[in-house]
This record gives sequence, C-alpha cells and structure tokens, in this order.
Amino acid sequence: GENVEQHPSTLSVQEGDSAVIKCTYSDSASNYFPWYKQELGKRPQLIIDIRSNVGEKKDQRIAVTLNKTAKHFSLHITETQPEDSAVYFCAASLAGGSYIPTFGRGTSLIVHP
Amino acid sequence: ETGVTQTPRHLVMGMTNKKSLKCEQHLGHNAMYWYKQSAKKPLELMFVYNFKEQTENNSVPSRFSPECPNSSHLFLHLHTLQPEDSALYLCASSQAGGGSYQETQYFGPGTRLLVL
Repeated sequence: GENVEQHPSTLSVQEGDSAVIKCTYSDSASNYFPWYKQELGKRPQLIIDIRSNVGEKKDQRIAVTLNKTAKHFSLHITETQPEDSAVYFCAASLAGGSYIPTFGRGTSLIVHP
Repeated sequence: ETGVTQTPRHLVMGMTNKKSLKCEQHLGHNAMYWYKQSAKKPLELMFVYNFKEQTENNSVPSRFSPECPNSSHLFLHLHTLQPEDSALYLCASSQAGGGSYQETQYFGPGTRLLVL
C-alpha cells in the first residue's frame, strides 16, 4: 500500500518568514495530493490540493509543488501570520477510483508574532 | 460549518459501557469514513463505506463496530473499550470516483472520547 512520510514534525518560524513542509510517497500510481490544516480543537480542512498532471499550484500565500519523478510534494507558505499556526497534514491517493487517502503524520507549525 | 455533523462532541465512558457515535453528512456524498486521531499520531483510518458498503476495515479491533444504514449516516458502536482507545474520533465524507474528481474529504468536528 501507499506510505506517506512528512517532515518536519514541528516547524517554528517568525511572523513574515516562509515555511516549507515536505512529503514523500511510495506508490507511483498516486495522483491526488491534498493538504489539510487543523487548527487547535478544530476539524481538518482542505487548504490546497494538486493533481499529478500539474507541477505547481498557488492560492494567495500558499503553494504546493509536486515532483512525480522523485515522488515528493511540498507545501509552501509565504509571509506567515500567527493565524497560520496549526497542524498541517499531507495525503496521497489514487483519484477516480477507490479513494482511500494515506495521510502523513502531520507538521505542527508555530508562527511567532 | 454544518456539512458534516457528529454527536456527541464529548463522551466519557467506562470500560464496560456500550455507546455509539453518530455522524451525518448533508453534502450528498457517497463515501463516509471513520478516523482515530490520538496525540502525536497521524490520522488513522478505521473504516470506509462507499455507497453504504464497507470497503475497508483497517485491522480495527472488534470492540469497534461500524454501521452505515444509508449514504448520509454513519455510526460507530463502542463496547468494552480500553483506556488506550481514548482519542478524537473523526468522521469524514467525500464524493468518490465517477471521474468527477471531488475526492476532498470533509471532516466533522469529531467526538472527544475518554475511556476510564
């Protein structure tokens, strides 16, 4: 089955800095890679996703890049703000069929004001 | 956020009790999931239902028993739990397959379970 590794487990940055979270996956058939943000005491929510037919996707201050050859994808947050503090989960799956996502272990991002 | 609801939000139970967690989705999705989230652990997939049929049982102990009477409702029946089962139990739904590429998971708020 699919195996997703996520690093780092904890990331501490100053407000205004950039943050990068990296994930690797094992199954080359995986073609859908979502990122979820879970604020303290709240449910995980999708913030951005990318499919295997594109290499990069941006949405304001967040972006995701995908390298299919190396089987890794990354979340980039620029100009971080205290409200970006949360746990971020990456996931990998095969879309369009039996969709059972495999999640990474999560990264706790702390943005210091 | 009322797309996926879960009740109760908090539950304390003894090891000999029987209780049930309820999840309801109002998004018209065809797949529902139960996850366990413990401190410092990844989201652990427990069960998947697709069109009311269980398609995945991720080696979950039999003291957890799922039930999916229709595409909108999902239950998790609990009996003779152990203290290590204390965790946040998250329900999620999605529209799986069909080429529509709407596989985003929509999570409920979770049930915080404490087993004494």
